Amino acid sequence: GENVEQHPSTLSVQEGDSAVIKCTYSDSASNYFPWYKQELGKRPQLIIDIRSNVGEKKDQRIAVTLNKTAKHFSLHITETQPEDSAVYFCAASRSVYRNKLVFGAGTILRVKS
Amino acid sequence: EAQVTQNPRYLITVTGKKLTVTCSQNMNHEYMSWYRQDPGLGLRQIYYSMNVEVTDKGDVPEGYKVSRKEKRNFPLILESPSPNQTSLYFCASSFGRDRENGYTFGSGTRLTVV
Repeated sequence: GENVEQHPSTLSVQEGDSAVIKCTYSDSASNYFPWYKQELGKRPQLIIDIRSNVGEKKDQRIAVTLNKTAKHFSLHITETQPEDSAVYFCAASRSVYRNKLVFGAGTILRVKS
Repeated sequence: EAQVTQNPRYLITVTGKKLTVTCSQNMNHEYMSWYRQDPGLGLRQIYYSMNVEVTDKGDVPEGYKVSRKEKRNFPLILESPSPNQTSLYFCASSFGRDRENGYTFGSGTRLTVV
């Protein structure tokens, strides 16, 4: 089955700096890669996703890149703000079985002001 | 308001006492799923359902049961809870394979088994 590894487990950045979180996946048939943000005590919320027919996707300060050959994808947050502090999860699935979504272990992002 | 509703939010129970965590969504989603969240392990899928009467095991199904008799409801049943099932549980739902979106999660249920 699919296995998703996520790095780093914790990341501290200064406000205004960029943050990058990386994930690798094992199933070459996976083609849907969402990212979720979970603030303390709250539910995970989808912030951006990418499909395997696209190499990069941006939404304001957030971008995701995908390298299908290497089987890894990354989340990039620019101009970080204190409200970006949260746990971020990557995930992967095959679109035909999108309900079977496998998550990484999560990255705790701390933005210091 | 479009949402996934879980109940209860907090539950403390004793080993072996059967319990049910309810989950309901009002978005007419086909897919529903249960995850448990443990420190350092991320979100692990327990069971999922692709539609009414269609369910399948996720990665950690042992000790759990589910049913999907109606499209909106997907309860999680622990027939004989054990302390290793102490965890934070999330129900989630999404449209079916023909719609392009990810899971919407409920607010979570923090379960403690003593």
